[in-house]
Amino acid sequence: DTEVTQTPKHLVMGMTNKKSLKCEQHMGHRAMYWYKQKAKKPPELMFVYSYEKLSINESVPSRFSPECPNSSLLNLHLHALQPEDSALYLCASSQVDMGWTYNEQFFGPGTRLTVL
Amino acid sequence: SQQGEEDPQALSIQEGENATMNCSYKTSINNLQWYRQNSGRGLVHLILIRSNEREKHSGRLRVTLDTSKKSSSLLITASRAADTASYFCATIKAAGNKLTFGGGTRVLVKP
Repeated sequence: DTEVTQTPKHLVMGMTNKKSLKCEQHMGHRAMYWYKQKAKKPPELMFVYSYEKLSINESVPSRFSPECPNSSLLNLHLHALQPEDSALYLCASSQVDMGWTYNEQFFGPGTRLTVL
Repeated sequence: SQQGEEDPQALSIQEGENATMNCSYKTSINNLQWYRQNSGRGLVHLILIRSNEREKHSGRLRVTLDTSKKSSSLLITASRAADTASYFCATIKAAGNKLTFGGGTRVLVKP
């Protein structure tokens, strides 16, 4: 299985809602990532988990809360978002070689988030 | 912040022609990767070239890397309408696990 799955595909939420995005991979990858992508822009890294531990937080506002329950799952909990948070949220995973070399990333199809 | 800048920002060619896009970056890297993204969908990894490699091929793709100029190029030969997509270069620094993307090149291949 060489696929990264993301649910839901689309999400519309109000500014007072709490929702979660889910990402799953079964490739045995020990690094998982969340990216945010605005239209016609490159993906911007939000968080990196290595061996289920948060290793990078790119100064993301606390209204985004990541969670890595196990080596196959990655969640992004959303609370009190702003309209400017509307974007495509991409999850990715990658192998980690010995010596902590990170290789190509496998991306999920993304969740299209709209905040009203 | 973007590590890489891509050139051109957009490219329109006829089917069968070659497409070349360039990427420049600023700091020392462990490897450089190219990804394709069809409209509004996830990214697909195309090719990875390490800092000690100069050229790599994969099917109709050819990637070069010049670490002295901190630049890379992606050549797609004999393009097809299905190659219509945005292409991003991305780098991983010499000591790190962060993949930083360039601005992307939007390629339109006309039938």
